[in-house]
Amino acid sequence: AQSVTQLGSHVSVSEGALVLLRCNYSSSVPPYLFWYVQYPNQGLQLLLKYTTGATLVKGINGFEAEFKKSETSFHLTKPSAHMSDAAEYFCAVSDYQAGTALIFGKGTTLSVSS
Amino acid sequence: GAVVSQHPSWVICKSGTSVKIECRSLDFQATTMFWYRQFPKQSLMLMATSNEGSKATYEQGVEKDKFLINHASLTLSTLTVTSAHPEDSSFYICSAPPSGVVYEQYFGPGTRLTVT
Repeated sequence: AQSVTQLGSHVSVSEGALVLLRCNYSSSVPPYLFWYVQYPNQGLQLLLKYTTGATLVKGINGFEAEFKKSETSFHLTKPSAHMSDAAEYFCAVSDYQAGTALIFGKGTTLSVSS
Repeated sequence: GAVVSQHPSWVICKSGTSVKIECRSLDFQATTMFWYRQFPKQSLMLMATSNEGSKATYEQGVEKDKFLINHASLTLSTLTVTSAHPEDSSFYICSAPPSGVVYEQYFGPGTRLTVT
């Protein structure tokens, strides 16, 4: 069975500081991995995804993530935090099968202080 | 990009009544749609998989007689919460992968249900 673990339910950074949100997965098959962002009372917005190919994936809003199979990790980073980055972030995993539901981590709340 | 809509975005109903939530794929067809529930400050939990033309598949612990799902067309799935109770108050989100596309999945904006 697939699962996702997000380390740290709450991460606080200062504006301009590095953002690092951790995600580890468990999957019996090569996974597809996703990061989503959710603002209060809104749906999910896809930040980036890893399917195949290059292990360093660049997404929107300056975020990127690196798939490390040996560490079963897919950590999300951004070099310089902005106030508008404050939100809830979810890591999710899916297998190769078309139309498979995503399995989500518990989420990490990112706070950005000025 | 592909768009998934939900209606209504926010609904308040009295305990014991039923409420229907619609999920539509606006510019693509989806043979499968997913329904998630999200309680405050928690993650999304898959409730059921909606399949066009066949019965929905429910996750363990989800009452199929309480949460009725109908996938009437390739662009519409509905979730009806029957005999709603305050504990059903939650944020309901649907998602849909375009048919035949392996990994793309698009999420609706969510429906906030409050049962009084």
